[in-house]
Amino acid sequence: DVKVTQSSRYLVKRTGEKVFLECVQDMDHENMFWYRQDPGLGLRLIYFSYDVKMKEKGDIPEGYSVSREKKERFSLILESASTNQTSMYLCASTLPGQGAKDSPLHFGNGTRLTVT
Amino acid sequence: GQQVMQIPQYQHVQEGEDFTTYCNSSTTLSNIQWYKQRPGGHPVFLIQLVKSGEVKKQKRLTFQFGEAKKNSSLHITATQTTDVGTYFCAGKRNSGYALNFGKGTSLLVTP
Repeated sequence: DVKVTQSSRYLVKRTGEKVFLECVQDMDHENMFWYRQDPGLGLRLIYFSYDVKMKEKGDIPEGYSVSREKKERFSLILESASTNQTSMYLCASTLPGQGAKDSPLHFGNGTRLTVT
Repeated sequence: GQQVMQIPQYQHVQEGEDFTTYCNSSTTLSNIQWYKQRPGGHPVFLIQLVKSGEVKKQKRLTFQFGEAKKNSSLHITATQTTDVGTYFCAGKRNSGYALNFGKGTSLLVTP
């Protein structure tokens, strides 16, 4: 069974701190994603990566960066945390699609980040 | 920005009643996926629809993909308390690698 592990379930940081959110998957998936989930806004894509050292901006990349040095690990970095980045962060991974059909996303349990 | 609209945002039903959530895209989708998120949990994949007009069933759940591949629906017959959660649709853009999620429909079922 696919396992996507996020390093922290809850995290509290201060405004201006540099924050690292780590995600590791154990199924050799090429594609990895970072979403944030906020009430009433659903899941919004921050960044994704389809290969080691490759990254693509999602819908809301401002204030974030990512790192994919190894296939199994995808890190989300908040360069200088702000209160409006308080949210639930979800990591996901999947295999590449085949034509119109995609492999399903496998999500981690999420990291609830509070920035004070 | 988000291009997949989902309604309603909330639905409260009595156990045994039916429930439907609708998903609409401004552009043609190559496929659509549905996920369920239980309270306190993470989204879990339910199903994927690829073909125009496709209908798939999973027990009491019926999923449809529109003829134009721009809309989809999830219908639950005779809801149970175990159906409680938020249901998300997610459309694959024709180009690129990422799914675009709807905002979700939160279903509450009271016994």
